[in-house]
Parts: sequence; structure tokens; C-alpha cells
Amino acid sequence: ELKVEQNPLFLSMQEGKNYTIYCNYSTTSDRLYWYRQDPGKSLESLFVLLSNGAVKQEGRLMASLDTKARLSTLHITAAVHDLSATYFCAVASTSGTYKYIFGTGTRLKVLA
Amino acid sequence: DAGITQSPRHKVTETGTPVTLRCHQTENHRYMYWYRQDPGHGLRLIHYSYGVKDTDKGEVSDGYSVSRSKTEDFLLTLESATSSQTSVYFCAISERSDSLAPNTDTQYFGPGTRLTVL
Repeated sequence: ELKVEQNPLFLSMQEGKNYTIYCNYSTTSDRLYWYRQDPGKSLESLFVLLSNGAVKQEGRLMASLDTKARLSTLHITAAVHDLSATYFCAVASTSGTYKYIFGTGTRLKVLA
Repeated sequence: DAGITQSPRHKVTETGTPVTLRCHQTENHRYMYWYRQDPGHGLRLIHYSYGVKDTDKGEVSDGYSVSRSKTEDFLLTLESATSSQTSVYFCAISERSDSLAPNTDTQYFGPGTRLTVL
């Protein structure tokens, strides 16, 4: 059974600091996704990582995937208040179904 | 933004009553999903569809049924609502591809339905 764990669950950080969110998954998958959710809103796609070693960057966010370690990271560089949100990773099942399994999310609060 | 709507957006109902939530898409995507979101649990898959009349269970399917009679609509029904089904429900669509083209199979989410069962 595919399980996805994120840590930390909560993260409070000062503006200008760097930090990394981790996403571990339990079985083989070659597709990993990162989403952002603002309070009371829907989820917005940030990154799609489709192969081992994939790295994607958008602004102050950079995501990477290591399929051998079953680990993805979301690195935040020089955080700003606008990055405050909940971040989810999700992994696509490769068992012949079409399911996506989500982590529990990391709630990020960037303090001015 | 992907064309996904959910209705109703908010609903309050009583225990034991049937409830149907609707997801409508204008993207002609093959795959559609229903999730529920609860604090501390992230998003949990209820049911999904991989084509018209083709559906399968997710991890929390008990107490829920779905139907997809046409590509654009995916209905979620709570046959007899319980307080444990109070949640925010999200519909999502995707068009999974085996190619490596970026963003070909990410999910796009609807605005959500907040359901309260008293």
C-alpha cells in the first residue's frame, strides 16, 4: 500500500530564511507532485516531477525528486510572507490504477 | 484555470438524509476524482473515475457512491449522511499521459464543497 509522509507538519519561519520540506513515499513511483493551498481555497499545482533527479524551480521554490530514496524535497529560498500556505506532495500509484496519494500537508507560516 | 465547477458550494444537512454533490468539467479530461479534506488527514481519495461508467473505490469509500454517465459530470452521493462525513469535498480532474511532457497529468482541483451534517 502506497503511503506518503511529509515533514514537518507545521513550519514557522522568518522572512529571508531558507528551509526544506520533505516528502517520503513507501513504494515505487516515478511521478510526484507538489501543490499549494491557501486558507479556505482549493489546491493549485506547483510542480510535476516525472523522473529520478528531476529538479524544477519557480521563484523561491525548488522541488527535486530522488526515486531511489523515495524522497522529494521542496526547498524554500529567502522566504517571504506570500509563501505562507499549506503545501502538499502527492504520489501517483503505479499499480495499474489511476490513484494519487497525498501527504498530510505542511502548513507554512512566514513571519515578517 | 481549468474549467471545473462544484455544486453546491456549501450545504448543511441532517443525519440520515441523502446528499448528492456534483462536479462538472469543461476540459474533456478522462479522469475525475472525489476527495475529502479533514484537518490532520490531508486529502483522502473517496472514489475516482477513469471513463464514462468506469469508477473505482479510493481509501475512504464506505458510505459513498459515485456515478459518471457522461464525461463532464461526476456525482458523489452520500446515501445516508452521518456527522463523520462533515468535511470539505474536492473534485479533481486529470488527463494522465505516458509521455514525459511536463504537467501532462497533474490534477486540477475544483473550488470545493463544504458539507456540514448535523
